[in-house]
Amino acid sequence: GAVVSQHPSWVICKSGTSVKIECRSLDFQATTMFWYRQFPKQSLMLMATSNEGSKATYEQGVEKDKFLINHASLTLSTLTVTSAHPEDSSFYICSASYRNNQPQHFGDGTRLSIL
Amino acid sequence: GQQVMQIPQYQHVQEGEDFTTYCNSSTTLSNIQWYKQRPGGHPVFLIQLVKSGEVKKQKRLTFQFGEAKKNSSLHITATQTTDVGTYFCAGKGYGGATNKLIFGTGTLLAVQP
Repeated sequence: GAVVSQHPSWVICKSGTSVKIECRSLDFQATTMFWYRQFPKQSLMLMATSNEGSKATYEQGVEKDKFLINHASLTLSTLTVTSAHPEDSSFYICSASYRNNQPQHFGDGTRLSIL
Repeated sequence: GQQVMQIPQYQHVQEGEDFTTYCNSSTTLSNIQWYKQRPGGHPVFLIQLVKSGEVKKQKRLTFQFGEAKKNSSLHITATQTTDVGTYFCAGKGYGGATNKLIFGTGTLLAVQP
């Protein structure tokens, strides 16, 4: 149980393109999902908390107009990197948990490369 | 804001040697979780500690939560090549309605056969 699917796994695109990443909880409902960003050999940095049916909560320093989050259903959250530039290249990972105080289950991540 | 540091940043051991990573939070935690991330993979949940002074074991892995609930450790006995990866602690503070975690800086373990 507790499977989180993330799509796509890899994205390579030109600078200025907007990229959408999907995160789905396959066998449970998740009112809250989390989006992280990870640079090579570094830790996971929480970008935002995605709340079903309401606005996402962004961490300090994360541009909400740059990283659009939509959590339209209990099993799907999307992260859109708008007008991506090379400095946005990174590994983006989502996670979800059954409920508060339960472990987080991670998607496989999306490697984003902006040329 | 809350910070979670881990030491060492990197550890290289011979297969069969023991390994320990230490995790320290700037604030008191309601619980702490440990994750393992293999190279190229995503973090996988290992364990959660909730009580002050709690010790849990999973085969060769021993996890401990400090009395003050601000630090934790992971000890691996007799490492194997399958233990290779980065080990992250992740702390949850008090308050807040969500399951928000702050990840530690991680310890990369390399095991030489």
